[in-house]
Amino acid sequence: QSALTQPPSVSGSPGQSVTISCTGTSSDVGSNDRVSWYQQPPGTAPKLMIFEVSNRPSGVPDRFSGSKSGNTASLTISGLQAEDEADYYCSLYTSSSTLVFGGGTKLTVL
Amino acid sequence: QVQLQESGPGLVKPSQTLSLTCTVSGGSISIGGYYWTWIRQHPGKGLEWIGYIYYTGNTYYNPSLKSRVTMSVDTSKNQFSLKLSSVTAADTAVYYCATDRGLRGWFDPWGQGTLVTVSS
Repeated sequence: QSALTQPPSVSGSPGQSVTISCTGTSSDVGSNDRVSWYQQPPGTAPKLMIFEVSNRPSGVPDRFSGSKSGNTASLTISGLQAEDEADYYCSLYTSSSTLVFGGGTKLTVL
Repeated sequence: QVQLQESGPGLVKPSQTLSLTCTVSGGSISIGGYYWTWIRQHPGKGLEWIGYIYYTGNTYYNPSLKSRVTMSVDTSKNQFSLKLSSVTAADTAVYYCATDRGLRGWFDPWGQGTLVTVSS
């Protein structure tokens, strides 16, 4: 299966914006819009934040946005809040009907 | 609103078969287009997709686990299940069930997860 690469950690101060990247290849992220993002605070189940690159489920603040450029998908959190501190995972549904997750990024709010 | 709850033994001996069940409430497991999913997370590590099952019994498995995984659906109990054979300590993880509406590659909702430890 393909591997999705995320930075191990990112950080930002309250009110700032941070972006988490999710890099694949031209054969997966680059040719497929089935990229999703999940938020996982410690000790809890993951929560869907973005689906199909840039769509927000009902109830997710509009501070969270998703995008894609080439082989890299990105999650941007603007107006950072203390409650945003969590692990974030990207995922990709592949053309082989399988699903792969990125390695995860720990967001620290300074 | 569909809700999911995992259940099963928290401790499994090496070489045995891990068996978990996910109970679906708030809706029918036979809802058209809903694909029922197992995902696991090793302690302190990232997420790993295990596989999908549709209420008809059609399955899609992670190639790396395919030889050891069996998923099934019991529509009369509104449950779906995971069996993972020949477990080792490397299968110790929190196991989550979740749903993918339309095989679109995103999961919502998730169960709360259940920790399974493989140890003698």
